[in-house]
Amino acid sequence: GAGVSQSPRYKVAKRGQDVALRCDPISGHVSLFWYQQALGQGPEFLTYFQNEAQLDKSGLPSDRFFAERPEGSVSTLKIQRTQQEDSAVYLCASSFLQDQPQHFGDGTRLSIL
Amino acid sequence: GESVGLHLPTLSVQEGDNSIINCAYSNSASDYFIWYKQESGKGPQFIIDIRSNMDKRQGQRVTVLLNKTVKHLSLQIAATQPGDSAVYFCAENISGYSTLTFGKGTMLLVSP
Repeated sequence: GAGVSQSPRYKVAKRGQDVALRCDPISGHVSLFWYQQALGQGPEFLTYFQNEAQLDKSGLPSDRFFAERPEGSVSTLKIQRTQQEDSAVYLCASSFLQDQPQHFGDGTRLSIL
Repeated sequence: GESVGLHLPTLSVQEGDNSIINCAYSNSASDYFIWYKQESGKGPQFIIDIRSNMDKRQGQRVTVLLNKTVKHLSLQIAATQPGDSAVYFCAENISGYSTLTFGKGTMLLVSP
């Protein structure tokens, strides 16, 4: 499709396991963003890529969170040694350029047991 | 009112009414603003945006008003339809910075 695609849509993991979340941005979009959304709250910024370069990772909550976009297209958000507080919806967004509207995927709902 | 956890401010309207959703933004340096609509189980969907050199911008059935003096943004939806029922978020950005900061959200409920 033409929109941002995220997989898996749902992920359940046991505390302490590592998880990897995938984002396929809109083709041709230079900018890619990851957000975390807790239930009943607005999305909160995690990190930003321009092509393959990670230019801002100020929102990553701990060093257990790691994101990459090695070829400037698909991105992966990895969470190591998951904790219960990591349970949330993880949203990916892309835009043609940084200061243009961001278009979101439907997110991955992560539940840590 | 203010939202706490799951308790989002809620606006209930009848189908066909006009709706106005308000947002107070936090940073006087913000110069780009976006309204998003989020339905249950889906990601935020872009509705309309406005830059700080404008006070008003119109789209299809929607109008965004920006008052920089009091740091206030509003979204007007004309002839509201049941399909407009969702949570609406305003978001602010400073040009040159990557962070998009979202407000707390307002739930719009449209009754047939």
